[in-house]
Parts: sequence; structure tokens; C-alpha cells
Amino acid sequence: QQQVKQSPQSLIVQKGGISIINCAYENTAFDYFPWYQQFPGKGPALLIAIRPDVSEKKEGRFTISFNKSAKQFSLHIMDSQPGDSATYFCAASKGGNKLVFGAGTILRVKS
Amino acid sequence: GAGVSQSPSNKVTEKGKDVELRCDPISGHTALYWYRQSLGQGLEFLIYFQGNSAPDKSGLPSDRFSAERTGGSVSTLTIQRTQQEDSAVYLCASSPHAQGAGYTFGSGTRLTVV
Repeated sequence: QQQVKQSPQSLIVQKGGISIINCAYENTAFDYFPWYQQFPGKGPALLIAIRPDVSEKKEGRFTISFNKSAKQFSLHIMDSQPGDSATYFCAASKGGNKLVFGAGTILRVKS
Repeated sequence: GAGVSQSPSNKVTEKGKDVELRCDPISGHTALYWYRQSLGQGLEFLIYFQGNSAPDKSGLPSDRFSAERTGGSVSTLTIQRTQQEDSAVYLCASSPHAQGAGYTFGSGTRLTVV
């Protein structure tokens, strides 16, 4: 019940395209859903986060879509750029502590 | 400091030896977390400190792992009698309040047990 399942494992997108990464969770007590971006040799950095009282949150080119009934949430990266090439992790927690992370998606944006 | 600082950045140790990994959180952050990231895997929660409360050790994989946080600031993760399966990147994060939203991670310590 603590798992967060993330897909796809890897993704190649053309520059200017839309990157979509999906996550699913089981624990209905989760109330905080962040996405992290990680570059090689660095720690993950918070990209955007959502709480279950909203269905969508947008920050610049990054959008989280949240479907509470399906227990799924996704990250959309619009107008993907080569600089977006990184590993992306979804996560979930109850109360914002002890994040449970997905396995990660390696995104490569081809120029 | 400006960010979460971890040292060393890389550590190679022989199987059976003890290692200590250090984390300097952002000044004023009351919450501190340790996670482990194995190759190609997501992050696995290890332990969580919040202020003066007893730490949440529920993620520690065995009694060979321990951590302390002195003076509510610097934290040390100790792995005794290291095994090859302990090889991973150990990440520390801090947060300014009990609700962990807005973790800042350090760059991690890459531990290799040979």
C-alpha cells in the first residue's frame, strides 16, 4: 500500500514536444504529491507539487494533473527542451513527511 | 549555508568496515531526512529527525544502520560492518518545518563497498 508506481521507465521526446510521466498510488491517506527533477551527480530538486483538493496545477511549462478517484497523477512538460533531460521522480506522502518515491523516469529530449 | 552539504561526496570502503556519512542541513531547518538511492532505483526512506522529537527510524534496513543529529543541526549516518548491498547514494534533505513540503536535498554521498 506504500508503493508509488511510475511509468515509463524512460522516455525520448523531440524538442518542442510534450513529455508525459504517470504515477499511481494505493494509499488513500496520501495528501501531498510532489515531482522531483534530478540531474546526474546532484540531489533531486522539487519541481512542482499538488494536494488532492485540486485536479491540476501549472507552473510555467510544468503541469501536474491529479485524478483522485483513479489514484493517479501525472507530470506534463510542455515545449520540452534539451535542458529538461534528467531523471524525474514522483512521490507521495501523508502530511508531507516520509516521501514514498516512484522508481524514476529518465527523460531525454532530442534537439 | 546556502544548501544542504554532505560529506564525503564519494566513499570507497572495504566490506566489514564502518563508515560515517555527514550532513549539514540548511541553517534553521528543523526537519532532516536520510534517503538511500540504489542504482536505477527510486529513493528509499531511512530516517527522519524533527526538532527535539525522537527520530522516526522506521526505514533503517538493519541494526547496522544508525543516525544521530547533534544540537538539532548536523547529522551523521553510520553504517557498521558494511556489506556490498550497502553500496548506494545516500541523500540527506532538510525542511524548514514539520510538514516536509519543500525538501532541499544535498548532492549525496556515493558509497561503494568493495
